[in-house]
Amino acid sequence: QVQLQESGPGLVKPSETLSITCTVSGGSISSYCCNWIRQPAGKGLEWIGRMCSSGSTKYNPYLKSRVTMSVDTSKNQLSLNLRSVTAADTAVYYCARELTWFGDLLGAFDIWGPGAVVTVSS
Amino acid sequence: SYVLTQPPSVSVAPGQTARITCGGNNIGSKSVHWYQQKPGQAPVLVVYDDSDRPSGIPERFSGSNSGNTTTLTISRVEAGDEADYYCQVWDSKVVFGGGTKLTVL
Repeated sequence: QVQLQESGPGLVKPSETLSITCTVSGGSISSYCCNWIRQPAGKGLEWIGRMCSSGSTKYNPYLKSRVTMSVDTSKNQLSLNLRSVTAADTAVYYCARELTWFGDLLGAFDIWGPGAVVTVSS
Repeated sequence: SYVLTQPPSVSVAPGQTARITCGGNNIGSKSVHWYQQKPGQAPVLVVYDDSDRPSGIPERFSGSNSGNTTTLTISRVEAGDEADYYCQVWDSKVVFGGGTKLTVL
């Protein structure tokens, strides 16, 4: 059974770079695409972007200038870097697998990690 | 940019039917996905492609999509269905609705 697990720093200082890793277990990351989604406390979900094992990426236009995603297939891990963070970036960060049907991406997220809480504060 | 509009809250008595709507311009032409999120937990996909259910999701959860409104219907509501529900589509990027809190009276 495929599982995702985020790991992050917990606390990041303003203007610095937030780095989070998503480790996939129970399956090969080479088989699908994963998305990053965040949720500020008490608020809704915000999509950050998608990373496929092929290396292709798609980012939220509102965050694109500050986001970089990468994949390490040897470690079965994806990484998210968000630069120049502010308090507005404080949130729970989730990685989520994108559902596929015979190789076609369906745009729905069927497996989620438990989330990593990140607080931006000095 | 594309906007999905959900009512902030819906209340229903146990055993009754809950209907949670999600409005968007010509949303009937898009594939809609629904998530359930309980406090302190990650979202769970309950309906995808308008009306399909992932394995393990009860048949009580169903979806429909037409025109400018898509609806998640939960039949025979149970106390355990109390949660936030989010609709989601792709429109050059992923868009989520603002979420609806379902309260079971």
